[in-house]
Amino acid sequence: AQSVTQLDSQVPVFEEAPVELRCNYSSSVSVYLFWYVQYPNQGLQLLLKYLSGSTLVKGINGFEAEFNKSQTSFHLRKPSVHISDTAEYFCAVSDQDTGGFKTIFGAGTRLFVKA
Amino acid sequence: SQTIHQWPATLVQPVGSPLSLECTVEGTSNPNLYWYRQAAGRGLQLLFYSVGIGQISSEVPQNLSASRPQDRQFILSSKKLLLSDSGFYLCAWGRRANEKLFFGSGTQLSVL
Repeated sequence: AQSVTQLDSQVPVFEEAPVELRCNYSSSVSVYLFWYVQYPNQGLQLLLKYLSGSTLVKGINGFEAEFNKSQTSFHLRKPSVHISDTAEYFCAVSDQDTGGFKTIFGAGTRLFVKA
Repeated sequence: SQTIHQWPATLVQPVGSPLSLECTVEGTSNPNLYWYRQAAGRGLQLLFYSVGIGQISSEVPQNLSASRPQDRQFILSSKKLLLSDSGFYLCAWGRRANEKLFFGSGTQLSVL
């Protein structure tokens, strides 16, 4: 069965500092990996996804993530954060199931960017 | 273009009352449909998903049930609400495992 573990529930960071949000997953089959972002009072928005190929994936707003199969991790990074990056970030794993697919989300990491 | 409608936006219900939340999708056919509950510190918990009419998979044992009477309609129900059913419920749809999910605007349910 799939599972997703986001290792940090909250990450405070100063503006212009780098940040890494950690995500580990488990699955018995090949999976697709996603990061979504939820800004305050808004819906979920896709940041980036890993399907196959290059293990470094670039997304919107300067974010990138690295897929590490041996460590079953998909950590999200940004070299320099802005106040506007304050949001909740969700890691998700998706795989095929009988007749369709299902997507499991982690518990989320709340990123606070301070001036 | 595809759209997803979810209603109501907010709902306050007494303990023991029934529940019906509805979600409809437009602009696509045979979507995979999902009900999630979002709670602080628990992320998005997958409650139910459906790959076709009448086909429902339950992910967690609970007081809720789901139905898919039409291809693009997904309903979340309860016969008797519990306090623990309070939360923010999100409907979503997707086409393939390697594509993103599209979310509705959510229903904030308060059971008092």
